[in-house]
Amino acid sequence: QQQVKQSPQSLIVQKGGISIINCAYENTAFDYFPWYQQFPGKGPALLIAIRPDVSEKKEGRFTISFNKSAKQFSLHIMDSQPGDSATYFCAASFNFGNEKLTFGTGTRLTIIP
Amino acid sequence: DADVTQTPRNRITKTGKRIMLECSQTKGHDRMYWYRQDPGLGLRLIYYSFDVKDINKGEISDGYSVSRQAQAKFSLSLESAIPNQTALYFCATSDFKGGRHYNEQFFGPGTRLTVL
Repeated sequence: QQQVKQSPQSLIVQKGGISIINCAYENTAFDYFPWYQQFPGKGPALLIAIRPDVSEKKEGRFTISFNKSAKQFSLHIMDSQPGDSATYFCAASFNFGNEKLTFGTGTRLTIIP
Repeated sequence: DADVTQTPRNRITKTGKRIMLECSQTKGHDRMYWYRQDPGLGLRLIYYSFDVKDINKGEISDGYSVSRQAQAKFSLSLESAIPNQTALYFCATSDFKGGRHYNEQFFGPGTRLTVL
């Protein structure tokens, strides 16, 4: 049972463009939604995260948009750079005190010159 | 020095063999996790431990066991390896008192396991 669905599986974006990765969740008890970034040969690392009490969170060129009614959230990478080429995972977890993460299936992002 | 280390980094073994993957951390975190990563399936939780006396099954624990030897050490064992356990395995740690976010997980570099 896939509780967090992520799309697309792979994405190619031109340098300077906007990269958009989407996730949808099923369980309304989820209350924390992070994105992790993974470079080849490395473990994932936290990139940015959002709680459902806000609709948008921005950190530099990275923005999470959150739609609670649609149970969807997305990662936007503005002015995409070759160094952003990586695999991105969305995730979700339940109430504070039970911090297991449920991950999406991942998106391999490639930024081309 | 890396905060979360995994050994070995690569391992090739044969069907039926017992394998142990080890994870050590110097972050002082109480919570440790084992995940496996497969192409197209993302990261799936195998086992997790919120302290030395607390061990819990994740979504895909069948065929695996764990041992929390100390706060800093969490080992994953495959009692009798089979080819569909070929995957990339990650250890992670967290401490809700620290990190940029209350549930930030810190991952090790991974162990690539191949079962022939």
